[in-house]
Amino acid sequence: DAKTTQPNSMESNEEEPVHLPCNHSTISGTDYIHWYRQLPSQGPEYVIHGLTSNVNNRMASLAIAEDRKSSTLILHRATLRDAAVYYCILRAGNQFYFGTGTSLTVIP
Amino acid sequence: SAVISQKPSRDICQRGTSLTIQCQVDSQVTMMFWYRQQPGQSLTLIATANQGSEATYESGFVIDKFPISRPNLTFSTLTVSNMSPEDSSIYLCSAFRGTNTEAFFGQGTRLTVV
Repeated sequence: DAKTTQPNSMESNEEEPVHLPCNHSTISGTDYIHWYRQLPSQGPEYVIHGLTSNVNNRMASLAIAEDRKSSTLILHRATLRDAAVYYCILRAGNQFYFGTGTSLTVIP
Repeated sequence: SAVISQKPSRDICQRGTSLTIQCQVDSQVTMMFWYRQQPGQSLTLIATANQGSEATYESGFVIDKFPISRPNLTFSTLTVSNMSPEDSSIYLCSAFRGTNTEAFFGQGTRLTVV
């Protein structure tokens, strides 16, 4: 299984940016980096993914280190609805193996 | 995108019985997967549901306990057989079209075995 390491929990103030780190030192050249989030009592929701270059979408930005051994999910302005568990996943082939994730608390 | 519907959304079952969970995708997908999520834990991949052939199981999961069917490109079932209280979990279906795309997840089936 491809492995990722994330902090167990993080806090952020509402309307401030949040940087969620992920280490994936065993990444191989063809592994995509995916981020999903899971709100309570829901299935995981896609956030963003990338291979080598930084990526932006309407939800977030993904910054990938030059050596690809780490990445950072950036939420530009945290809202209360962003409180969730965020999973950083390496997609090796067609399988998605989830790590332990980071539980994000947003403080009003 | 793809919308995934799972049935039932929750169930309470007697030990020793079996439950079949259905997963319907609103469009054709290449890959379908089944996950288990125990309370407060992350998702664990059970198996890849292969269309027209036997599912591919991850270490620790066996076909006799978790038989899976995938008769076409939009539908799959997972059966939890001979249930015990340790099988109480959320079971999630996922779909993936491959290559540079994202995966989609159902809302899960919350199973309680008493």
